[in-house]
Amino acid sequence: SQQGEEDPQALSIQEGENATMNCSYKTSINNLQWYRQNSGRGLVHLILIRSNEREKHSGRLRVTLDTSKKSSSLLITASRAADTASYFCATDTSGTYKYIFGTGTRLKVLA
Amino acid sequence: DAGVIQSPRHEVTEMGQEVTLRCKPISGHDYLFWYRQTMMRGLELLIYFNNNVPIDDSGMPEDRFSAKMPNASFSTLKIQPSEPRDSAVYFCASSLSFGQGYEQYFGPGTRLTVT
Repeated sequence: SQQGEEDPQALSIQEGENATMNCSYKTSINNLQWYRQNSGRGLVHLILIRSNEREKHSGRLRVTLDTSKKSSSLLITASRAADTASYFCATDTSGTYKYIFGTGTRLKVLA
Repeated sequence: DAGVIQSPRHEVTEMGQEVTLRCKPISGHDYLFWYRQTMMRGLELLIYFNNNVPIDDSGMPEDRFSAKMPNASFSTLKIQPSEPRDSAVYFCASSLSFGQGYEQYFGPGTRLTVT
């Protein structure tokens, strides 16, 4: 069963706009990660946020975590056509290195 | 470093045949993961190893699937006999248990088609 579910399933925006995607999960977590997958490729790690953190930044990426609502959001600012990809959240619930991936958001950035 | 290496990149086989997928993790990484990705089920964790020892194989769909890690630089995922519903992209990933903090590095995947 899926631990994390991304919302929306698909998102289409114009280049230069911001893209926001959300991840909801069911049980308490130790860490949450976001990954990107370009079509036909493996996943690439973007950012990790720990359960005691509320916000992290990395370049044009901003991730927030609300453990009370069991949700996280990924914001990509000033999007580019190269940001077109699927984005997944992954949660570690048991203190092990086992991560469960969500269903993903397909982002399309139009030039 | 070359990253996680998987072979073959594409595999087409007939139902009933044995399929072996191979993975070379990043040197020094002590965790190795096998995932399967399909449109219907998304990305599923099949099994993962720590220091060559299987830790959790609860995601392995059935006895037709087996995985081994004979040494720190090589792992295999075997399907015998293969069935059309095994068609998917299989990913291998590795990570380091400290320092980098849980980040998983994925290989390019093996696209398996069973006819």
